[in-house]
Amino acid sequence: SQQGEEDPQALSIQEGENATMNCSYKTSINNLQWYRQNSGRGLVHLILIRSNEREKHSGRLRVTLDTSKKSSSLLITASRAADTASYFCAGAQAGTALIFGKGTTLSVSS
Amino acid sequence: GAGVSQSPSNKVTEKGKDVELRCDPISGHTALYWYRQSLGQGLEFLIYFQGNSAPDKSGLPSDRFSAERTGGSVSTLTIQRTQQEDSAVYLCASSLELAGNTGELFFGEGSRLTVL
Repeated sequence: SQQGEEDPQALSIQEGENATMNCSYKTSINNLQWYRQNSGRGLVHLILIRSNEREKHSGRLRVTLDTSKKSSSLLITASRAADTASYFCAGAQAGTALIFGKGTTLSVSS
Repeated sequence: GAGVSQSPSNKVTEKGKDVELRCDPISGHTALYWYRQSLGQGLEFLIYFQGNSAPDKSGLPSDRFSAERTGGSVSTLTIQRTQQEDSAVYLCASSLELAGNTGELFFGEGSRLTVL
């Protein structure tokens, strides 16, 4: 079962603007994680939010979680060209592997 | 090593040949995962290990695919009689504990498989 579906599929913005990506999932989760993937590389963990948390910050990243709507959002503030990458969310259930969505491809132009 | 190591980084093979992909996880990580990523697509879950056991093999696409993990460390993903649709990047990840128990995954750089 898919535990992460990102929206939009692609996002193009200018440097300095904020980027918002959304994620929906289907079943109850213990935590939701966001990862980043630069072209041709492996995924890198960005942030984890637990099911009993509503918002979490890390540097320029802000993640929200709404368990009633089974959705999460990732906000990147003051984006930079180096933020250009694909971003994936994944909901984690107890005792299972992490199932990822298809990702949002973010392009930040200078 | 400091991170997850995968080999080979690139593999070109002919249709019908068998291939083995290797993953060396971070030392001490009990959970190990295999994913497949086709060009421009998301990650497709294949299998995960907790120690040497594979509780969930549901993602393996066919019986041509198999994986093992020995000594709670290195894992090998084997694809027999490769087909062109097996062409993809195979990503391995490890975590200190299962993702569902707040385990963050650490990924390798992947093995790119091309089946001619």
